[in-house]
Amino acid sequence: NAGVMQNPRHLVRRRGQEARLRCSPMKGHSHVYWYRQLPEEGLKFMVYLQKENIIDESGMPKERFSAEFPKEGPSILRIQQVVRGDSAAYFCASSPEQGASGEQYFGPGTRLTVT
Amino acid sequence: GESVGLHLPTLSVQEGDNSIINCAYSNSASDYFIWYKQESGKGPQFIIDIRSNMDKRQGQRVTVLLNKTVKHLSLQIAATQPGDSAVYFCAENNYGQNFVFGPGTRLSVLP
Repeated sequence: NAGVMQNPRHLVRRRGQEARLRCSPMKGHSHVYWYRQLPEEGLKFMVYLQKENIIDESGMPKERFSAEFPKEGPSILRIQQVVRGDSAAYFCASSPEQGASGEQYFGPGTRLTVT
Repeated sequence: GESVGLHLPTLSVQEGDNSIINCAYSNSASDYFIWYKQESGKGPQFIIDIRSNMDKRQGQRVTVLLNKTVKHLSLQIAATQPGDSAVYFCAENNYGQNFVFGPGTRLSVLP
């Protein structure tokens, strides 16, 4: 059973470009979470999605950031017009049908560098 | 508001000794807690969890203790090994809402 997959693992973007980060949850998992981690800091919750629905986006900036989890395909975290402050590691986690009160399984992360 | 914090940001232990990593939380309504281990360049890895109706849970070489009275969580690692060197995070969850992570403790195992 493959774990949570994220791609790309490393992404370099110039200021003003768009970044698209992909997350494929574990098989059978329909809950996806996105977190951001700055160097030497903990993970900060961004958004929680179920298939085709955003459940909680309280941790995601209102501008430039968006997330989706379509019926088919991976979850996408999209950052428009990236700025240097967006440079961070972005982790995706998934959990099974029973919901957010259970264990979350993390992917290896996408390290975004904005130049 | 919610907050999760750690008493010690860094911890160095001798190989073979026991390690204790602490975590304080402020949301008394949190009902589920997880300890994660994160090695350099990797995603967090589940170590052990505990629900609020328990005060102790043991795994392989690890024990989590929960003191709800003082809102304190600890992770004990027995016979610490070089492979245990990593950053350890506690995370709390309140009835299915998103997880709140602490800032992390870096554990260094000395030969």
